[in-house]
Amino acid sequence: KNQVEQSPQSLIILEGKNCTLQCNYTVSPFSNLRWYKQDTGRGPVSLTIMTFSENTKSNGRYTATLDADTKQSSLHITASQLSDSASYICVVKSSGAGSYQLTFGKGTKLSVIP
Amino acid sequence: DVKVTQSSRYLVKRTGEKVFLECVQDMDHENMFWYRQDPGLGLRLIYFSYDVKMKEKGDIPEGYSVSREKKERFSLILESASTNQTSMYLCASSLQGKGYNEQFFGPGTRLTVL
Repeated sequence: KNQVEQSPQSLIILEGKNCTLQCNYTVSPFSNLRWYKQDTGRGPVSLTIMTFSENTKSNGRYTATLDADTKQSSLHITASQLSDSASYICVVKSSGAGSYQLTFGKGTKLSVIP
Repeated sequence: DVKVTQSSRYLVKRTGEKVFLECVQDMDHENMFWYRQDPGLGLRLIYFSYDVKMKEKGDIPEGYSVSREKKERFSLILESASTNQTSMYLCASSLQGKGYNEQFFGPGTRLTVL
């Protein structure tokens, strides 16, 4: 069964500090992996997408890495800001039949405090 | 900019009522999806549609039905609302075909069934 596990479940950091969120998956066959940011009471918004051949991708202060061999991804946030407080969801797409086959992680809730 | 709108941000209904949740997208996307999101469970797919008048069951379709009469509109129907359907409901849309297939989410409807 396809699964996406995220850790930690929740995290509290001081403003200005860095943090790394983890995502392990067992989705097969693998197509791509996205990180979404979901502000409280809002829908998720895509931060990055990574395909099999990509190791690192950045979007401003967000840097995602992918190790397709170990089936692990991380999202690193640099110099955190209060507005980074949100849930971060790892989503893996299978390349199997159908364009809808997404497996969602349960998310990491990040709180950035002053 | 892709825009996915949902008819209500907050909704309170009574047990047994028929509930309609509406979703509209403005980017001519073929695929549309309904998810529910509950604490500790992440996003779970209820139904999706890859074309007008077409629908497919997701992981948790029981107690729900959908309607897609026009390409831009996808409705979720709770025939007889129950308290265990209290949740955040998210609509999403995406393009058809192979590729990144990013799903664009609406802001969500928080439904409370009393």
